[in-house]
Amino acid sequence: KNQVEQSPQSLIILEGKNCTLQCNYTVSPFSNLRWYKQDTGRGPVSLTIMTFSENTKSNGRYTATLDADTKQSSLHITASQLSDSASYICVVSAGANSKLTFGKGITLSVRP
Amino acid sequence: DAGVIQSPRHEVTEMGQEVTLRCKPISGHNSLFWYRQTMMRGLELLIYFNNNVPIDDSGMPEDRFSAKMPNASFSTLKIQPSEPRDSAVYFCASSLALSYGYTFGSGTRLTVV
Repeated sequence: KNQVEQSPQSLIILEGKNCTLQCNYTVSPFSNLRWYKQDTGRGPVSLTIMTFSENTKSNGRYTATLDADTKQSSLHITASQLSDSASYICVVSAGANSKLTFGKGITLSVRP
Repeated sequence: DAGVIQSPRHEVTEMGQEVTLRCKPISGHNSLFWYRQTMMRGLELLIYFNNNVPIDDSGMPEDRFSAKMPNASFSTLKIQPSEPRDSAVYFCASSLALSYGYTFGSGTRLTVV
């Protein structure tokens, strides 16, 4: 069964600090991995999409890594800001029809 | 572009009533998705359309749920009769193709009492 596990479930950090969010998956055959940011009361917004051959991809202060061998991904946030407070969802796409498997998300709170 | 537009933003209804959620995808996007999000289960795909044709509805909970896409610019998700366990946030998303990034709407928060 395809699964996506994210950790930690929630995280509190101080403004300006860095943090790393983890995603482990057992999805086959792997197509791509996506990280989404979801603000409270809003729909998820795509941060990155990574294919099998990509190890690292950055989007501003967000850097995603992918290790297809160990089936792990991480999202690193640098110099956190209050606006980074949100839920971060890891999504893995499988197969030719790109069926998506969602993680349950990590709730990040950035405190002043 | 106004993005994916969903209506209503909030819906409160009594158990047994019919509920219709609406979605207007981004113009030019060929794929449209309906998701349901709850605290317990996170985001779940209910159904998706490609070029207005339903491709995979295996996520639709039961016969009480139905979805239509009569044209490229409009889709509906209907629940009849509604039950309290249907309470959730329902998102619509669209994309250029299945392998592309998705753009989500702001969601409809449904409460069935």
